[in-house]
Amino acid sequence: DQQVKQNSPSLSVQEGRISILNCDYTNSMFDYFLWYKKYPAEGPTFLISISSIKDKNEDGRFTVFLNKSAKHLSLHIVPSQPGDSAVYFCAASAEGAQKLVFGQGTRLTINP
Amino acid sequence: DGGITQSPKYLFRKEGQNVTLSCEQNLNHDAMYWYRQDPGQGLRLIYYSQIVNDFQKGDIAEGYSVSREKKESFPLTVTSAQKNPTAFYLCASSIRVYSNQPQHFGDGTRLSIL
Repeated sequence: DQQVKQNSPSLSVQEGRISILNCDYTNSMFDYFLWYKKYPAEGPTFLISISSIKDKNEDGRFTVFLNKSAKHLSLHIVPSQPGDSAVYFCAASAEGAQKLVFGQGTRLTINP
Repeated sequence: DGGITQSPKYLFRKEGQNVTLSCEQNLNHDAMYWYRQDPGQGLRLIYYSQIVNDFQKGDIAEGYSVSREKKESFPLTVTSAQKNPTAFYLCASSIRVYSNQPQHFGDGTRLSIL
């Protein structure tokens, strides 16, 4: 049972444009959501998070949007840069739960 | 600099052999975790520990064992009972479990079968 889904395995975006990565979840108890970025042969790096009491959180070029009614979150990267090319994972947890649940990842490629 | 150190980066296991993956953190975090990543899949939780001398099974604990004798260290043993051990193993830590705090990851160990 895949509680967190990233339906796009890959995404290609031109440098300078907006990258939008999407994530859907099924568990209505999830109340904390995170995005991680991962380069090959390295561990994931925390990017940005959002609590369910918010619908938007912004940090520099990165913005996460949460639509609780649709059980959907997205990560916007503006403007996209070559160094943003990586695999992006979304993750979610429920209050009182002991773990994060990860999506399968989306490979983002930024083209010059 | 504070962080999580995993060693070795690459590890090879013979059939029937147990191997131990090291994970050390100097972030003063109470909670530590082990995940497994397979191609095209997300991270799956193997074991986690809330505090020294305590650990709990995750979603795929069969064939693995852990110990938490020190706050800084959370080694993972892949036993011969794990029939498909080839994967990328990631260790993580967080301030504590049951908190809305991000987990921080090491750079992983890639385990392969000879």
